[in-house]
Amino acid sequence: EVQLLESGGGLVQPGGSLRLSCAGSEFPFNTYALSWVRQAPGKGLEWVSVISPGGGTTSYADSVKGRFTISRDNSKSTLYLQMTSLRAEDTAVYYCVRPLAPRWPLRGDFNYWGQGNLVTVSP
Amino acid sequence: QSALTQPPSASGSPGQSVTISCTGTSSDVGGYNYVSWYQQHPGKAPRLMIYDVTQRPSGVPDRFSGSKSGNTASLTVSGLQAEDEADYYCSSYAGSNNLVFGGGTKVTVL
Repeated sequence: EVQLLESGGGLVQPGGSLRLSCAGSEFPFNTYALSWVRQAPGKGLEWVSVISPGGGTTSYADSVKGRFTISRDNSKSTLYLQMTSLRAEDTAVYYCVRPLAPRWPLRGDFNYWGQGNLVTVSP
Repeated sequence: QSALTQPPSASGSPGQSVTISCTGTSSDVGGYNYVSWYQQHPGKAPRLMIYDVTQRPSGVPDRFSGSKSGNTASLTVSGLQAEDEADYYCSSYAGSNNLVFGGGTKVTVL
């Protein structure tokens, strides 16, 4: 069964940094584009970023561009999200997501979701 | 990257149908046939219900159907059941490897 296991969330002060990780298993990790999607408490879903299967192409939502960096290590089947200059409005549950099929560019058909990792930005 | 527009709420009695709209622009919904719909129960991760406007992943009941006309996509749930009560989100490809979600619709089964 496909699994996406996230780690690295927690409490951080405004202006601080945090790195999220997502370990994938039971699927050919290096053939799928992967994304991060977040959900602020009581709010809707927001797409954050995507990375191509080989890692050479990335894209970001305007709200995080220049502050967040997505990367992947296919040898470790792990996806990362480096978050810097964090703001209160970045407080959310962050999900690592995989599409239904290994298509590129992304289409938004996220069939597999990690368990979610809460990031809280507060003094 | 403006969010797609969904009604905040929708409701129906068991057995009835409910349709949720998702309005975007020619740069997202109207420009690509890559609209997806997600169902989310409280405290759970979202579940993919529809992709590529009309396609259902394996395991999704055929009571769920999707369509699109111009800049507006729609999700119809027929034969409403108690377990369909949830939040529903649409998403659309917006070009240049960008994706946009709708604000979400809370469906209540009366």
